[in-house]
Amino acid sequence: AQSVTQPDIHITVSEGASLELRCNYSYGATPYLFWYVQSPGQGLQLLLKYFSGDTLVQGIKGFEAEFKRSQSSFNLRKPSVHWSDAAEYFCAVGARTSYDKVIFGPGTSLSVIP
Amino acid sequence: NAGVTQTPKFQVLKTGQSMTLQCAQDMNHEYMSWYRQDPGMGLRLIHYSVGAGITDQGEVPNGYNVSRSTTEDFPLRLLSAAPSQTSVYFCASRDLEFSYEQYFGPGTRLTVT
Repeated sequence: AQSVTQPDIHITVSEGASLELRCNYSYGATPYLFWYVQSPGQGLQLLLKYFSGDTLVQGIKGFEAEFKRSQSSFNLRKPSVHWSDAAEYFCAVGARTSYDKVIFGPGTSLSVIP
Repeated sequence: NAGVTQTPKFQVLKTGQSMTLQCAQDMNHEYMSWYRQDPGMGLRLIHYSVGAGITDQGEVPNGYNVSRSTTEDFPLRLLSAAPSQTSVYFCASRDLEFSYEQYFGPGTRLTVT
């Protein structure tokens, strides 16, 4: 079965500092991987996704993520955080068959100090 | 396109009452799903469907029923609401053939007293 862990429940960074949010997954084959962001009181917005090919993927809002098969990880990074990046971030894993489900991690809450 | 729509936005139920959360999408997506979001637990999959007439259980299906009679609609039914079902519910849809990106509705905040 698929599962996703996000080891950091809450992270606080200063504006302008770099950011890395961790995501580890468990799945028997190579999965599809996603990062979503949720601002307070809002729905979810897709930041980026990995299906195949280059293991470093670029997303919206200056985010990137790197798929490391050997570590079963898909960490999200941003070189310089803006105050507007304060939000909840979710990693998700989907199976490589059409008819399977997407499972989400518990989320990491990001606070940004001005 | 309206995308994924959910009604109602807010709902308060008493324990034992029943209700249906509505979800509709106008993108002709085969795959639709329901999640519940609780603090510290992320989004947990309740039920999903890969097309009209086909549904399956997710991680937390107990207490919920679904059906999929059309491609567009995927209602979630609570037959006898319990306080443990107080949550925010999100419906999502995605294209099975192309991007695998899920499009989420705005959510329904449900309180069961």
